[in-house]
Order: sequence, then structure tokens, then C-alpha cells
Amino acid sequence: EVQLVESGGGLVQPGGSLRLSCAASGFVVSTNYMSWVRQAPGKGLEWVSVIYVGGSTYHADSVKGRFTISRHNTNNTLSLQMNSLRAEDTAVYYCARVLYKGVYYMDVWGTGTTVTVSS
Amino acid sequence: DIQMTQSPSSLSASVGDRVTITCRASQSISSYLNWYQQKPGKAPKLLIYAASSLQSGVPSRFSGSGSGTDFTLTISSLQPEDFATYYCQQTYSTPPITFGQGTRLEIK
Repeated sequence: EVQLVESGGGLVQPGGSLRLSCAASGFVVSTNYMSWVRQAPGKGLEWVSVIYVGGSTYHADSVKGRFTISRHNTNNTLSLQMNSLRAEDTAVYYCARVLYKGVYYMDVWGTGTTVTVSS
Repeated sequence: DIQMTQSPSSLSASVGDRVTITCRASQSISSYLNWYQQKPGKAPKLLIYAASSLQSGVPSRFSGSGSGTDFTLTISSLQPEDFATYYCQQTYSTPPITFGQGTRLEIK
């Protein structure tokens, strides 16, 4: 079964750091595009980061320079290193697999992990 | 960046109704448009990709159409499990990937 499970969320103070992980099963992370998407409380979906098969990474302007997406082939996981956290980063963070069939789309999503940035 | 605008923002309907949600892109995105359903406390679920292709396992009462800048998601006969929030997403000009603001479908 294709599945994604996030972990690593929690309460952190403004300016702090957190590392999210996303464990994949049923497919290989390194042979797929992978992405992080977040959802602030009561708000819509916001794309955060993507990593391509070749290793190129891109981040939303709102997190550029503070967040870093990476993958780990040995344990088939995706990570999101989040530094200099702000209150506005408070959200549920989802990892998702990105497939291509003429267009790119996110076909598998994790259950999400909650990040709360507060003093 | 390409902006995605959904209408309406919320909608009340009854079981059995035919419902249409619209998504408009700020510039042409060909057919690079996907639709997701999200229920409270759950992850989004892919319904439609490439504007009109039904994802495997999704009921045939869901359909999508459009190209260029204007797209629609139609539910032909609403079922109780369809009450949720729906998002469109463009992947034409990426990064960034952008989502619409969502349409909340409620029971009348």
C-alpha cells in the first residue's frame, strides 16, 4: 500500500527550529517529485516546497531562506528543516507525492503533522 | 505567480442536487488544473487531474471541465459524504504551485 506518514511536529518558540519527517512506504521517494503543503488553522492550502527527482529544490517565497526540503534514500524519507520559525508558520504540514501524467498532481498525501509557533 | 480564484467561497445544497464549482486562473494554464476534496481534520484527496481526468477510485458523479483560464468541478448528484471543502490547484507554472482559496460545500 502506498502511504506517507509525517512526524516531528510540536510546539516551538518564535525563532526556533524544527525538523519534520515524512516516511514513505509502497514507493521510492527518490524516484518521485515530493512536496510539502501546509494549512494554517481555518485557512486554505499553501504549497511550501518541492524536490525534483534530479535533486533540485524550490520553496515558497514565504519560507525561502528559512526552510529546506531534502530526502534520504537510505530510509526512504522526506524532510523539512524549518529554521527561524514565526507565528505565521503555525499550521498542519502535509507531505505529498507528485506524479506526472501530462500534468503534475499530488496523488498521495500524508495525514499531517501540526506545528505550533508560540511563546 | 498565477493566482487561482474559486467561486463561490461557500455553497449550501441538498442531497441529490447538481453542484458546480468554478475556478479561474489569472493567466492561461492549459489543462494543468487539479481538484481536491478535504474533509475536516483530514488530508486533501485528489479527485480530478488534468482538468477532466477522474482519479482512480473516485465516483463518476464527479467530473471536471475547462481549459485555459476557466474550469469547473461538477458533482452530478450530491451524496452525504460529498459535503466538504474543495480546492483547485494549478501546476502549469511551477514553482510555485498555487491553490484556490477553497469552496466549502454545506448541507442545506
